[in-house]
Amino acid sequence: GENVEQHPSTLSVQEGDSAVIKCTYSDSASNYFPWYKQELGKGPQLIIDIRSNVGEKKDQRIAVTLNKTAKHFSLHITETQPEDSAVYFCAATGTDKLIFGTGTRLQVFP
Amino acid sequence: DVKVTQSSRYLVKRTGEKVFLECVQDMDHENMFWYRQDPGLGLRLIYFSYDVKMKEKGDIPEGYSVSREKKERFSLILESASTNQTSMYLCASSLVAGPYNEQFFGPGTRLTVL
Repeated sequence: GENVEQHPSTLSVQEGDSAVIKCTYSDSASNYFPWYKQELGKGPQLIIDIRSNVGEKKDQRIAVTLNKTAKHFSLHITETQPEDSAVYFCAATGTDKLIFGTGTRLQVFP
Repeated sequence: DVKVTQSSRYLVKRTGEKVFLECVQDMDHENMFWYRQDPGLGLRLIYFSYDVKMKEKGDIPEGYSVSREKKERFSLILESASTNQTSMYLCASSLVAGPYNEQFFGPGTRLTVL
């Protein structure tokens, strides 16, 4: 069935370091890959997305890369700040819906 | 800004009770979704609706039903609540049909079934 695996489940970094979260998907027809950030007490919010005709996309300190051949995509956060601490979810399109990963809890220590 | 509101932040119910979770969006979005969020399992889709009166099963519809009588309102119903339905429930909406659009989430309802 359609599945998205996400690693790691928890990630701790020092402020200023980089953080990388990786996801793999099973459906070769998937062509849209969003990333959502969920802060404490709030619902998830879209932070960046990428479509299958693009290999990389950047928005200030965050970037997403996509390898369609290997069916994996990654979120990169550079120069991490304490306000980056949150749970991050990757997702991939399935049949008529998004399939979400299991989430990564990122902690950025000052 | 799009606003998605959920009727309760916290809810405690007893086993066997009928439970209604209400969600309202204020931006005339076509699509609405109900997810449940559990530690280690991520977000799992329960039901979604691409139009008024229309509903589609997601990945885990068992034990749930939905109602969408008006475009802005999408209700999740637990006909007979059970302890394994204790979870965080998230409602979301998106502008047009299909999964390729940004989903806007409400703050969630944490439901405890005793």
